Amino acid sequence: DTEVTQTPKHLVMGMTNKKSLKCEQHMGHRAMYWYKQKAKKPPELMFVYSYEKLSINESVPSRFSPECPNSSLLNLHLHALQPEDSALYLCASSQATQGALADTQYFGPGTRLTVL
Amino acid sequence: AQSVTQPDIHITVSEGASLELRCNYSYGATPYLFWYVQSPGQGLQLLLKYFSGDTLVQGIKGFEAEFKRSQSSFNLRKPSVHWSDAAEYFCAVGVGTGTASKLTFGTGTRLQVTL
Repeated sequence: DTEVTQTPKHLVMGMTNKKSLKCEQHMGHRAMYWYKQKAKKPPELMFVYSYEKLSINESVPSRFSPECPNSSLLNLHLHALQPEDSALYLCASSQATQGALADTQYFGPGTRLTVL
Repeated sequence: AQSVTQPDIHITVSEGASLELRCNYSYGATPYLFWYVQSPGQGLQLLLKYFSGDTLVQGIKGFEAEFKRSQSSFNLRKPSVHWSDAAEYFCAVGVGTGTASKLTFGTGTRLQVTL
């Protein structure tokens, strides 16, 4: 099973709302990632968790708050977002071998977020 | 810092024709290179990857890519394109950071297939 699932598929929220995106994998991977992808652009890395610890934060605004409660689950908490945050949010996971250069990242289908 | 360039934003080919998508990378050490495909509104699927060994890499769906260090290139090829290959294709270079890999993507090439 090489599946990464993400819920919800679509989310519409106002600028004052609080919502969360969820990502789950059961491949035994210990590295998990959040990417943001704007229309007609490549994915941009936001956060990386390795063994449930935040290892990379690509200077993402604090209105995005990641959480990795266990090795299979990754959340992205959203609060006070701006319309320019509307995008496809992709989750990925990889094995987390030491060095990790050749690790394949497996992507979920994404959550399409619209901020009104 | 590493970077990836995909010179072609949009390519149109006829079904059954051959395909080559270009990718050039910039990276100081031996690069770890990937090709991903993304259908509209979907996540990314790995087609193939190169990290050592034979410079001609075979992937899924009949794709292959050739690593040429002298040209800093990793072009993707397919001998005969099918209509279902229409999608966005991303080349990426990977950098290991401990136990996680950081991918830097090119800007992508959108492939259109005419029947």
